[in-house]
Amino acid sequence: GAGVSQTPSNKVTEKGKYVELRCDPISGHTALYWYRQSLGQGPEFLIYFQGTGAADDSGLPNDRFFAVRPEGSVSTLKIQRTERGDSAVYLCASSLHTGTRTGNTGELFFGEGSRLTVL
Amino acid sequence: AQSVTQPDIHITVSEGASLELRCNYSYGATPYLFWYVQSPGQGLQLLLKYFSGDTLVQGIKGFEAEFKRSQSSFNLRKPSVHWSDAAEYFCAVGAPGGYNKLIFGAGTRLAVHP
Repeated sequence: GAGVSQTPSNKVTEKGKYVELRCDPISGHTALYWYRQSLGQGPEFLIYFQGTGAADDSGLPNDRFFAVRPEGSVSTLKIQRTERGDSAVYLCASSLHTGTRTGNTGELFFGEGSRLTVL
Repeated sequence: AQSVTQPDIHITVSEGASLELRCNYSYGATPYLFWYVQSPGQGLQLLLKYFSGDTLVQGIKGFEAEFKRSQSSFNLRKPSVHWSDAAEYFCAVGAPGGYNKLIFGAGTRLAVHP
């Protein structure tokens, strides 16, 4: 597709359940990011992939959160034993360059997000 | 640690009026600076960015921003606001030479009166 695609757009689940959120980045973008946006806040960094590997997962809040990108394209964010505090919009973004000084365009292309509600 | 402060949570302006959205950052050196806009039902879109050089940068949709090192500010401006500019605006800071691990402010929601 032309842009970053995220599915589902909305997910309602019960506390304790397992959730998967999918991101399909722009074709050819090697870098992929997950951010979380809570109500009234700006996006917060969760994890960054360069290719298939997670280059920086320092933003993942705890070990209930995990993300994969097995073929270097589509990524899945996985949340185990969901809690009410996990309710937020999960944003995926991709970029063409890795962010080196010469290659950093500085532009992230964001999807519309997956709104997760944990009851 | 890097941080971004957007002091105004909500701003309301009349269509045709000028606009200035404030952004202050905390960083040990000159960071990369960005403004993104988030419209309902749409993903975040880059308005403009500052890396180095001319401190007044032009962006899309008639927006501009000025980097002021002495004030650690990167305020967004537009001379004449259109109703379609109603959205949420986010200032963000990134580390030079690093990947796009951006730190975002909490955002300013702009309402435009006809």
